[in-house]
Amino acid sequence: QQQVKQSPQSLIVQKGGISIINCAYENTAFDYFPWYQQFPGKGPALLIAIRPDVSEKKEGRFTISFNKSAKQFSLHIMDSQPGDSATYFCAAIEETSGSRLTFGEGTQLTVNP
Amino acid sequence: NAGVTQTPKFRILKIGQSMTLQCTQDMNHNYMYWYRQDPGMGLKLIYYSVGAGITDKGEVPNGYNVSRSTTEDFPLRLELAAPSQTSVYFCASSYVEPAVYEQYFGPGTRLTVT
Repeated sequence: QQQVKQSPQSLIVQKGGISIINCAYENTAFDYFPWYQQFPGKGPALLIAIRPDVSEKKEGRFTISFNKSAKQFSLHIMDSQPGDSATYFCAAIEETSGSRLTFGEGTQLTVNP
Repeated sequence: NAGVTQTPKFRILKIGQSMTLQCTQDMNHNYMYWYRQDPGMGLKLIYYSVGAGITDKGEVPNGYNVSRSTTEDFPLRLELAAPSQTSVYFCASSYVEPAVYEQYFGPGTRLTVT
């Protein structure tokens, strides 16, 4: 059972453009919604995270938008750069479940120069 | 700190062989995890541990075993390898507080079963 659905599977953006990745979840008990970034040949690393009582969180060029009623959240990368080319995973966690992250399927982002 | 280290980086196994993937962390994290990553499928949790001596099944535990005798080490054992176990395996660790959602991942082990 896939509890976190992510789209698109792949995304190509021109340098300077906005990259948008969307996720939807089912479990209303999730407490945190982190995003992870993975470069080729490396393990994922935490990029940014949001709680469900906040509608938006911004860190530099990266912004999470959260819609609790729709059970959706998205990652926006402003002024996308070739160095942002990576695979991005949304995730969700229910703290009382023993810190088990549920990951989306991943989005492979390519930013063309 | 080295963070989370995994060995080996690559391995080719024949069907029916066994092997142990090693994972060590030097951050004194309580929680440790094993994931497998298949193309287009995200990361699936195999097993996790909330402390030495305590392990529990994740989403896809069949064909694998783990042990946690120390805080630092969390080896993953594959018995009777099958082609379906061809994947990239990641070990991760995390604190209990303050940001339990922040997991630190190792560089991965790419395993091929033929």
